[in-house]
Amino acid sequence: DAKTTQPPSMDCAEGRAANLPCNHSTISGNEYVYWYRQIHSQGPQYIIHGLKNNETNEMASLIITEDRKSSTLILPHATLRDTAVYYCIVRVRAAGNKLTFGGGTRVLVKP
Amino acid sequence: DGGITQSPKYLFRKEGQNVTLSCEQNLNHDAMYWYRQDPGQGLRLIYYSQIVNDFQKGDIAEGYSVSREKKESFPLTVTSAQKNPTAFYLCASSMRESTYNEQFFGPGTRLTVL
Repeated sequence: DAKTTQPPSMDCAEGRAANLPCNHSTISGNEYVYWYRQIHSQGPQYIIHGLKNNETNEMASLIITEDRKSSTLILPHATLRDTAVYYCIVRVRAAGNKLTFGGGTRVLVKP
Repeated sequence: DGGITQSPKYLFRKEGQNVTLSCEQNLNHDAMYWYRQDPGQGLRLIYYSQIVNDFQKGDIAEGYSVSREKKESFPLTVTSAQKNPTAFYLCASSMRESTYNEQFFGPGTRLTVL
C-alpha cells in the first residue's frame, strides 16, 4: 500500500469548514483513497473513499487531485463532535484487504 | 442492531498469564481483523481472517493467537510470550466482496498488564 503523509494536528472553528490534506505521491493506479476517523478511546469510523472523482456523502467531501498524488477531506460545517484523529489510507480495494494506519491528523474543533 | 461487540471493555491481567479477548459480529461479514493501538499511535494489524477456519498473520503477530471456528466470532489470545501486551485492541470486520470494502470497528478492549 502507498504511504501517506498528513499534518500531525490542526484546529478548526465550530461551524466552519475543515480541510484536511493528505499526500500520497506514490499511489498506484488501482489504489483507492480512504478516510477514517477515531474519536478518543473508540474504534475508527469509516468516512468516505474515492479513486479518481470527487466524492460526497452525508459526512464529508473528498477532493482528489487530477494526478491523484494528493487529496483533501472536507468537513463542511465542523461541530465539536468532529474532534478526532483523521486517517488517510491508500489501499487496493481487494477482498478482505487490510488497512494500514499512519499517524493521522489530530483535529480539534473549537467553539 | 447490527454491529461488532468486543468484551470486556477493560481487562487487567497479571504478567505471565494468557488472556482471550472476545469479538463477535452479526453483520454477516466474511472477513475479520485484529488491530493493536498504542498511545498516540496508529493501528497495527495483528491477525486477519477472510473466511471461516482460515487466518493469516498481520504485521505484529508474535505473542498472539487466533481462531475462526464460526463466521461471527474471531477471538484473540494474548499469550505470555507477548513482551509488551498493554494496549488498546480493536476488532473489525468487512464483506469479502463489497462495493465499498469498508471495515467496521468494534468499541475496543483496553488491556493492562499489572
